[in-house]
Amino acid sequence: TAGITQAPTSQILAAGRSMTLRCTQDMRHNAMYWYRQDLGLGLRLIHYSNTAGTTGKGEVPDGYSVSRANTDDFPLTLASAVPSQTSVYFCASSPGLADNEQFFGPGTRLTVL
Amino acid sequence: GQSLEQPSEVTAVEGAIVQINCTYQTSGFYGLSWYQQHDGGAPTFLSYNALDGLEETGRFSSFLSRSDSYGYLLLQELQMKDSASYFCAVTRLNGQGGKLIFGQGTELSVKP
Repeated sequence: TAGITQAPTSQILAAGRSMTLRCTQDMRHNAMYWYRQDLGLGLRLIHYSNTAGTTGKGEVPDGYSVSRANTDDFPLTLASAVPSQTSVYFCASSPGLADNEQFFGPGTRLTVL
Repeated sequence: GQSLEQPSEVTAVEGAIVQINCTYQTSGFYGLSWYQQHDGGAPTFLSYNALDGLEETGRFSSFLSRSDSYGYLLLQELQMKDSASYFCAVTRLNGQGGKLIFGQGTELSVKP
């Protein structure tokens, strides 16, 4: 079982360019999440989805958008990247939104220059 | 607002016991979780407390006191492989369900 996969593993992006980070899970979990992790700031929630077709904003949603067309996929899009979006991005899922055990993907390391 | 406080780093020796504390301030508190992360890899779930008291899972135990807004993770019989970052996370309920708010993490170094 793959669990959660993320692509790409890492990326260097020029400021102003757009980018979509991909996330796919095969556990049929209803809830999915995107976090960013910066040194000294822990994990911060960007957006979440409690079921296919619905999304919600987390702590730091500005500059990011998500979609949830089906259960398995939850892509994160940066429409016009800025250097402050340099971070490690983790996708996670859980059976339901109130479930405390979240399963994390391996992360995408993004550098915006 | 909401906040979680945990020590930034802790050092202990192999075979010892270490306690990582977490204090929190948040509305809509539902429970406290702990996650482990090795070398910037995927965080992995360790434990969860919704009620006051101690939860034990092998060498790891987690404690919660809701009245004190305080919890801790206890690691016994430390091994070198326990060197990692440990995050406490509050499950916060609102009208849209529950979401995790993470602390900044405690880096545990286990020495021989």
